[in-house]
Amino acid sequence: AQSVAQPEDQVNVAEGNPLTVKCTYSVSGNPYLFWYVQYPNRGLQFLLKYITGDNLVKGSYGFEAEFNKSQTSFHLKKPSALVSDSALYFCAVKMGYQKVTFGTGTKLQVIP
Amino acid sequence: KAGVTQTPRYLIKTRGQQVTLSCSPISGHRSVSWYQQTPGQGLQFLFEYFSETQRNKGNFPGRFSGRQFSNSRSEMNVSTLELGDSALYLCASSPLSGTQDVGYTFGSGTRLTVV
Repeated sequence: AQSVAQPEDQVNVAEGNPLTVKCTYSVSGNPYLFWYVQYPNRGLQFLLKYITGDNLVKGSYGFEAEFNKSQTSFHLKKPSALVSDSALYFCAVKMGYQKVTFGTGTKLQVIP
Repeated sequence: KAGVTQTPRYLIKTRGQQVTLSCSPISGHRSVSWYQQTPGQGLQFLFEYFSETQRNKGNFPGRFSGRQFSNSRSEMNVSTLELGDSALYLCASSPLSGTQDVGYTFGSGTRLTVV
């Protein structure tokens, strides 16, 4: 069975500082990995995905994520946080034709 | 290009009633998935449809059902509503199913409140 874990319920970071939102996964095989962002009272928005190839994936709004197979991690990063980045972030994993499994979400709070 | 449209946006129902939610995917997208989002449980997978066929099903009771039409529009139905069914129901579409997944596009959701 596939699963994904987001160990932090909330991450606080000062505006302008780098941010990291952590994600680890568990699958038997090569996964597809995704990050989504959710703003209040809205659906999720796609940020980026890892399918294969370069371990560093660049996505929307200046976000990037690093795939680390040995540590089974796919942490989301941004060099300089903005107040507007404050939202709920979800990591997700998919294997082949299986459903997409989401993590429990991490609330990112960027402090002015 | 229109996004994923979910109707209605808000719904209040009484325990024991049934409800039907609708989702219109992005034009050309053939895969539609449904998720239930609650503060305590996060995003729970309900089911996925591709070309009118249910491809995957989550661990929900039989009160939850869905279908997809030939135009890819999808509906989900919940019968005999319980208080615990109160949640944000999200629909997600993608152009393909399986190994060529390019990520979902989500609708804004239907907020269901059961009283």
